[in-house]
Amino acid sequence: NAGVMQNPRHLVRRRGQEARLRCSPMKGHSHVYWYRQLPEEGLKFMVYLQKENIIDESGMPKERFSAEFPKEGPSILRIQQVVRGDSAAYFCASSPKNLNTEAFFGQGTRLTVV
Amino acid sequence: KNEVEQSPQNLTAQEGEFITINCSYSVGISALHWLQQHPGGGIVSLFMLSSGKKKHGRLIATINIQEKHSSLHITASHPRDSAVYICALNTGTASKLTFGTGTRLQVTL
Repeated sequence: NAGVMQNPRHLVRRRGQEARLRCSPMKGHSHVYWYRQLPEEGLKFMVYLQKENIIDESGMPKERFSAEFPKEGPSILRIQQVVRGDSAAYFCASSPKNLNTEAFFGQGTRLTVV
Repeated sequence: KNEVEQSPQNLTAQEGEFITINCSYSVGISALHWLQQHPGGGIVSLFMLSSGKKKHGRLIATINIQEKHSSLHITASHPRDSAVYICALNTGTASKLTFGTGTRLQVTL
């Protein structure tokens, strides 16, 4: 049973480009969470999704950021028109139910905007 | 005031020492997680606690719900324990975790 898989591990984008970050949850997990870790800062919640539904997006920036978790395929975090301040590590976690069960994290995607 | 605070922020220990990392919080929780993050690496879940004490190998985690405090102990520390240890709260909203800023541990030979 593979763990939470994120790809790519490292992503470099020029300012103004789009970044797509993918997260495949563990088998049997239907809850996905995205977190952002800015340089020298702690982790911050971004969005919580179940299959085909956004449950809580209170941590998402209002513009340029979107997330989806389709019926088939991985969850996608999409950042349009990236700026240098988007440079961070983005982590995905999955759980079989809500977070009153253990959460399993991916290795993260390190986004660098140049 | 942050909802969750960790201490110390940085900790250096010699191999074999007993280590304690503390986490205090100010909100009601349904569970508390201890996580480990190696430099440039992913995040590993060490424990999830809602009461009492858990042990896994050389790691022990305790929580006191009344005092809103949890500790992570490492016995017989080893250089491979060098990492950032993060306390995270589930406040019962069934969604997001709230994270402490982490304790950076360096274990030297």
